[in-house]
Amino acid sequence: AQSVTQLDSHVSVSEGTPVLLRCNYSSSYSPSLFWYVQHPNKGLQLLLKYTSAATLVKGINGFEAEFKKSETSFHLTKPSAHMSDAAEYFCVVTPKSSGTYKYIFGTGTRLKVLA
Amino acid sequence: EAEVAQSPRYKITEKSQAVAFWCDPISGHATLYWYRQILGQGPELLVQFQDESVVDDSQLPKDRFSAERLKGVDSTLKIQPAELGDSAMYLCASSLGGQHLSGNTIYFGEGSWLTVV
Repeated sequence: AQSVTQLDSHVSVSEGTPVLLRCNYSSSYSPSLFWYVQHPNKGLQLLLKYTSAATLVKGINGFEAEFKKSETSFHLTKPSAHMSDAAEYFCVVTPKSSGTYKYIFGTGTRLKVLA
Repeated sequence: EAEVAQSPRYKITEKSQAVAFWCDPISGHATLYWYRQILGQGPELLVQFQDESVVDDSQLPKDRFSAERLKGVDSTLKIQPAELGDSAMYLCASSLGGQHLSGNTIYFGEGSWLTVV
């Protein structure tokens, strides 16, 4: 079965320290992968996506993610956290089944940034 | 920058009443999605349209939920009768292509919060 697992439901970091949000996927072939961010009471905004090109993907607001097929991971990182990064982050995998692509959302990771 | 428009942003309704949400996707986007997001969880797809046709409504509770996209542009999601468990955020999203395209980016609206009392 195709799935995506966000390993941490909550992550707390201090402002100015690195951020690591972990995502593992299960797919029978190389899927496309996305990270979305959701601020309180807002819709989801695309941070970055991987579609079988470069394995290191750079996104908006200084975030990046690396696709590692051998580890079936797509972890999201940022060198230095900012207070405005506090939000919910969703990893999304789009496995292919019978010629169509389904978007499967992880359960989310809530990032808290401490002053 | 083009956006997905949704209304209303917030709706409080009594149990057993009818409620409707409206969505206007980004111009030119053929695919429209309705997701439901319960507090603390990820979005769950309710229904997906390709132009005016439904391509996936496998998770839509069809006894009380209905969705239409009559002219292949804007869409309405209706719930009748509303139940307490329907309290959630209803997100509309759109994309250029459909399920046959890999790497298709979905753009989300701000969402409509529903509280059933």
